[in-house]
Amino acid sequence: NAGVTQTPKFRILKIGQSMTLQCTQDMNHNYMYWYRQDPGMGLKLIYYSVGAGITDKGEVPNGYNVSRSTTEDFPLRLELAAPSQTSVYFCASSYTLQDGRPKNIQYFGAGTRLSVL
Amino acid sequence: DAKTTQPNSMESNEEEPVHLPCNHSTISGTDYIHWYRQLPSQGPEYVIHGLTSNVNNRMASLAIAEDRKSSTLILHRATLRDAAVYYCIPRTSGTYKYIFGTGTRLKVLA
Repeated sequence: NAGVTQTPKFRILKIGQSMTLQCTQDMNHNYMYWYRQDPGMGLKLIYYSVGAGITDKGEVPNGYNVSRSTTEDFPLRLELAAPSQTSVYFCASSYTLQDGRPKNIQYFGAGTRLSVL
Repeated sequence: DAKTTQPNSMESNEEEPVHLPCNHSTISGTDYIHWYRQLPSQGPEYVIHGLTSNVNNRMASLAIAEDRKSSTLILHRATLRDAAVYYCIPRTSGTYKYIFGTGTRLKVLA
C-alpha cells in the first residue's frame, strides 16, 4: 500500500516557466489537499478537493490551479513560476465518514521541493 | 479559527518521558485537538487527537485540560526517532481545515 505519492521530489524552475506537481493516492480517499511549507513555517492550504470534479480554494491559492478528474489523482499546476513560489509542497488525503464529512486524519506525501530562480 | 501557542523548541534525553504543551485558549466547544509530527524531510504524520477526555494510542498520550484551553502531548519514552516538529492543531469536527502553526521542534539527546 503506497499511500500518497508525489512526483517529482525536487525541481528547479526558471521564472515564468510552468509545471505540474503530481499527486496520487491508492487509498480511495475522497478528500485531497495541497499545502505549501515555507522554510521554518507551518503548512498553508492551497487547494482542496472533496471528490472527482470538485475543487475549492484554500488560504493561499493565487498562482496555482488544480483539477480532479479521478479519485486517485490531484495535480497542482503552476502557470507562471515566481520566486515567491519557492517552497516545499505537500499533498494529503483523507477519507469520508458515511455522512460525507471528512474523517479527522490526513495522510501526507513526502513532498516536492521546488526552487524558482 | 482557534489560535495555538507552543514552545519553539524542547530537548529531552533518550528513554525519558516528554511533555509537549499547547495553549489553545480560543478553542470552541466542537474543536477537536489534533497532534501531528513532521520528521526531517518528510510530510506530517498523524499522532493523536481528542475532544475532552484523555486519549492514548501506541504512539503517545494526550492530556486535555478540564477547561480545554490547553493540552499536553506525552511521549512516554522518547527515542532518537521521535526527533521532529510537533504541531498542535484545533480542528472543527467534519471540516477540512487544518491550521498549522510553527510547532515545537523536539530534540532528543542520546
